[in-house]
Amino acid sequence: ETGVTQSPTHLIKTRGQQVTLRCSSQSGHNTVSWYQQALGQGPQFIFQYYREEENGRGNFPPRFSGLQFPNYSSELNVNALELDDSALYLCASSYGTENTGELFFGEGSRLTVL
Amino acid sequence: GQNIDQPTEMTATEGAIVQINCTYQTSGFNGLFWYQQHAGEAPTFLSYNVLDGLEEKGRFSSFLSRSKGYSYLLLKELQMKDSASYLCAVLDSNYQLIWGAGTKLIIKP
Repeated sequence: ETGVTQSPTHLIKTRGQQVTLRCSSQSGHNTVSWYQQALGQGPQFIFQYYREEENGRGNFPPRFSGLQFPNYSSELNVNALELDDSALYLCASSYGTENTGELFFGEGSRLTVL
Repeated sequence: GQNIDQPTEMTATEGAIVQINCTYQTSGFNGLFWYQQHAGEAPTFLSYNVLDGLEEKGRFSSFLSRSKGYSYLLLKELQMKDSASYLCAVLDSNYQLIWGAGTKLIIKP
């Protein structure tokens, strides 16, 4: 039991719609990072939040945005969905910003865009 | 650009030993991770190397050579439950994780 929970676990959207994915971090962790994992690929870093501020971003367009709340839970928002956004979205929590410790992943939210 | 290479798929026999290689070219280096990911599940942490050499943890060992940009994960006494994807990830100069595509390991009886 990692303590990181994500919701929803599965969802289907149509092209052009918007989606919000949620993540509850492990207790005591103040950093959350989001990853996109396409089928058969490794995770791709989207962004990281530390104490409610974005402190790192991967090569994703601005329609991917996020929030971290005072209780360190987090949201990933994706606007104007495209077919290629279909993937598993993973949230990982950790302590501190340097990522030299273990990341604790949630089970992921599998998004299908039709 | 940043690049991490690992074999796409490997097959091994229950009880045997398998070595999964990972080579990397990244902008800076602050450590290398190995994660295990069973189908449909989240990745789970196996090891972290930041200095050259071998780190042993039970049936799993991980090796790093920074000068060669190379690491391997060694799995001994393979069990059927070890069938999974093994992901190599490097922490770059910005402390961001760059992930390989993963190696799917198939264990046969």
